[in-house]
Amino acid sequence: GAVVSQHPSWVICKSGTSVKIECRSLDFQATTMFWYRQFPKQSLMLMATSNEGSKATYEQGVEKDKFLINHASLTLSTLTVTSAHPEDSSFYICSARDLESSYNEQFFGPGTRLTVL
Amino acid sequence: KQEVTQIPAALSVPEGENLVLNCSFTDSAIYNLQWFRQDPGKGLTSLLLIQSSQREQTSGRLNASLDKSSGRSTLYIAASQPGDSATYLCAVPYNFNKFYFGSGTKLNVKP
Repeated sequence: GAVVSQHPSWVICKSGTSVKIECRSLDFQATTMFWYRQFPKQSLMLMATSNEGSKATYEQGVEKDKFLINHASLTLSTLTVTSAHPEDSSFYICSARDLESSYNEQFFGPGTRLTVL
Repeated sequence: KQEVTQIPAALSVPEGENLVLNCSFTDSAIYNLQWFRQDPGKGLTSLLLIQSSQREQTSGRLNASLDKSSGRSTLYIAASQPGDSATYLCAVPYNFNKFYFGSGTKLNVKP
């Protein structure tokens, strides 16, 4: 099956620093990737849609200048949390849609746990 | 905007029981619906995907049904096992692209 990886799997950083999270589709191409955030005991909330070769589209209430998304290739999207603060601590999960799939099935990465001190 | 609701929020059953998890969505113009499993602190594992033209989909002890007109889907788990303990999430694509998740049902199967 299609595999999506994320790196790092966990990261701890100081308040005010920036953190980059990578999302890769390993065995398929994805023109579209999605970034989700999950707070403890809550469901996944879509943050933004990452489009290869164009600007990401952000959900209402998500600051695009704080969560920078770059979709540089058909297999890689990055999410950079700029000037991170403790309230940004969360579980970040990406997903990718297989370009050749007619089912619009999304495949999810294992997630990245961010802790901001 | 699509809204997805899951009931119950939590469920605790003894091993061996058959159980049903419910998912409802507000916009019936969906392309498909997916059920996922999430273990604590982990990512998502896709369990079943039902196309809008299908009524149900089966995988092992799992059976998912879809009723688009009423905006409902159910996940049936037969002969539950302690290893089934996890949070189960349903998700629906909206505008073909965006994926909205329900709040999840946390299942505990007691040995």
